[in-house]
Amino acid sequence: DARVTQTPRDKVTEMGQEVTMRCQPILGHNTVFWYRQTMMQGLELLAYFRNRAPLDDSGMPKDRFSAEMPDATLATLKIQPSEPRDSAVYFCASRADMNTEAFFGQGTRLTVV
Amino acid sequence: SQQGEEDPQALSIQEGENATMNCSYKTSINNLQWYRQNSGRGLVHLILIRSNEREKHSGRLRVTLDTSKKSSSLLITASRAADTASYFCATAPGSSASKIIFGSGTRLSIRP
Repeated sequence: DARVTQTPRDKVTEMGQEVTMRCQPILGHNTVFWYRQTMMQGLELLAYFRNRAPLDDSGMPKDRFSAEMPDATLATLKIQPSEPRDSAVYFCASRADMNTEAFFGQGTRLTVV
Repeated sequence: SQQGEEDPQALSIQEGENATMNCSYKTSINNLQWYRQNSGRGLVHLILIRSNEREKHSGRLRVTLDTSKKSSSLLITASRAADTASYFCATAPGSSASKIIFGSGTRLSIRP
């Protein structure tokens, strides 16, 4: 049963610490998305990759966020340094191609205290 | 920024009734998708409708698309308690078909 896997599921960290979230997309999917979900802002697109190349990361605060795909089986989202306003649920999603649906992971719930 | 806006923001209906949610968007699109999110879970894809399609069905779901009005609707017939969730429309903008941009969502509650 193919699925998108995100780790960790929950993360509590202190302000100023580095946070790394990981995502394993579905094998064969060529597009990977990172979203952030909060009550106030809803689902925001942070960045996405196609064939491992970053296409758009304009939704990300560049000074502290970075997204990479070191290989086809791993996407990472890093926050350094983390701030309380980064507290949110971060979702990774992948899809096979344009005009197909996206499959979502279960999310990483990040709390920065 | 969000491309789509759902209406209403919240909807509460009796089990067995039909639920209709609307989505409006701003720019031209390649396709429009509807997703469901149960509390604390990831999003699950429901249905995708392409820009050259006007209506699509899947089980108890019916989606319409009016590109001239830049709007879509999701109809759930004969609602069940298990349909309680948030529903989001998502668009693939014509200018950048690789993106998927989500709307603000409709919270649907089904009363037993």
